[in-house]
Amino acid sequence: VQLVETGGSLNQPGGSLRLSCAASGFTVSSNYMAWVRQAPGKGLEWVSVIYSGGNTFYADSVKGRFTTSRDQSKNTLYLQMNSLRAEDTAMYYCARGIVVASDDAFDVWGQGTMVTVSS
Amino acid sequence: DTVMTQSPATLSVSPGERAILSCRASQSVDINLAWYQQKAGQAPRLLIYRASIRATGIPARFSGSGSGTEFSLTISSLESEDFAVYYCQQYNDWPPSLTFGGGTKVEIQ
Repeated sequence: VQLVETGGSLNQPGGSLRLSCAASGFTVSSNYMAWVRQAPGKGLEWVSVIYSGGNTFYADSVKGRFTTSRDQSKNTLYLQMNSLRAEDTAMYYCARGIVVASDDAFDVWGQGTMVTVSS
Repeated sequence: DTVMTQSPATLSVSPGERAILSCRASQSVDINLAWYQQKAGQAPRLLIYRASIRATGIPARFSGSGSGTEFSLTISSLESEDFAVYYCQQYNDWPPSLTFGGGTKVEIQ
């Protein structure tokens, strides 16, 4: 069971970026998945979740700018990031909701991909 | 949104000693609380969910307790690999607004 994030890069304010999270060993579309970010030297911040049924929810700080989606054929989770701001600079992790219970805790995490927003 | 506050920010402990970390919620989260461990340069690792249930493969020296607004994570006898930052996370809010505490760094005294 593994998650691998890609797509992080240096971007200008106002720009767009799409992060990918490829899963192996389980099916993304059958699980509760999330994006969590961590600014340099700071704590963890929840970004978004997508339920197995497809419903998505976002933190207020990214609502209207970020979109979470998934591709069943590629077994991959995505985070489309638009109107990027300096405060979006962070390591972005994808994570899987725990499968042994219905709790919204995360038992599998990727290694993260770094997004930097700067002019 | 529920605000999670962890204390202390830093805990200095000697190997073999017990560490108790606290997490307080701004409103009741029932027992919908998880604890994570994060080492430098690594992703978080789930330790505890539903306030007191150890995740798969987590050693018995880690235990969680509490309900409502007050929670604690106890490491009964610290080992060298336990020095890390620990975060609590609530998942009680609906619509979902998963909030993390600011973290407690457990360092070697």
